[in-house]
Amino acid sequence: EPEVTQTPSHQVTQMGQEVILRCVPISNHLYFYWYRQILGQKVEFLVSFYNNEISEKSEIFDDQFSVERPDGSNFTLKIRSTKLEDSAMYFCASRDTVNTEAFFGQGTRLTVV
Amino acid sequence: KQEVTQIPAALSVPEGENLVLNCSFTDSAIYNLQWFRQDPGKGLTSLLLIQSSQREQTSGRLNASLDKSSGRSTLYIAASQPGDSATYLCAVHNAGNMLTFGGGTRLMVKP
Repeated sequence: EPEVTQTPSHQVTQMGQEVILRCVPISNHLYFYWYRQILGQKVEFLVSFYNNEISEKSEIFDDQFSVERPDGSNFTLKIRSTKLEDSAMYFCASRDTVNTEAFFGQGTRLTVV
Repeated sequence: KQEVTQIPAALSVPEGENLVLNCSFTDSAIYNLQWFRQDPGKGLTSLLLIQSSQREQTSGRLNASLDKSSGRSTLYIAASQPGDSATYLCAVHNAGNMLTFGGGTRLMVKP
């Protein structure tokens, strides 16, 4: 069964460092998303991406964040200068059309120290 | 701004019980509603998707209903098993091509 794949599963980084979280969405899907979940809190929307551009972003997704689809399969989230409060589980998701089921990856646990 | 609330926050039941998890949302202008399961430290597994035009969806022992006008959805789990122990999340898809999540119901099914 097709699935969304995320790497790494866990990343530890020093405050101020750049991190890149990687995702391989389901191959025929067109809509891609990043969400995050701070420990003990709700899952929060960060950004949606369609047709090689950002279609929506939340207040959380400030200038420190960027997304890219560098080739036909990968979808990345970059955090330029990590802060302690960026520590969270980051989920990638994809769907084939705007109104169908969203499929999530297993997440990357980012720990900023 | 859409707000999604799930009640109860936690639930503990003996094996075999039928149970109902509740989800409410403030803006009824939704495209669809999706229920997920999350095991500790893991990703989100999609359980059911209900389109705004539908009243319910069934998958195995799971049945989800939607009352869009009153801003409510329920997830019914029949004959619960210890393997059903997890956090159940409801998420609403509304304008803006994003999901808004509730805080989840943490379910424990005791053998």
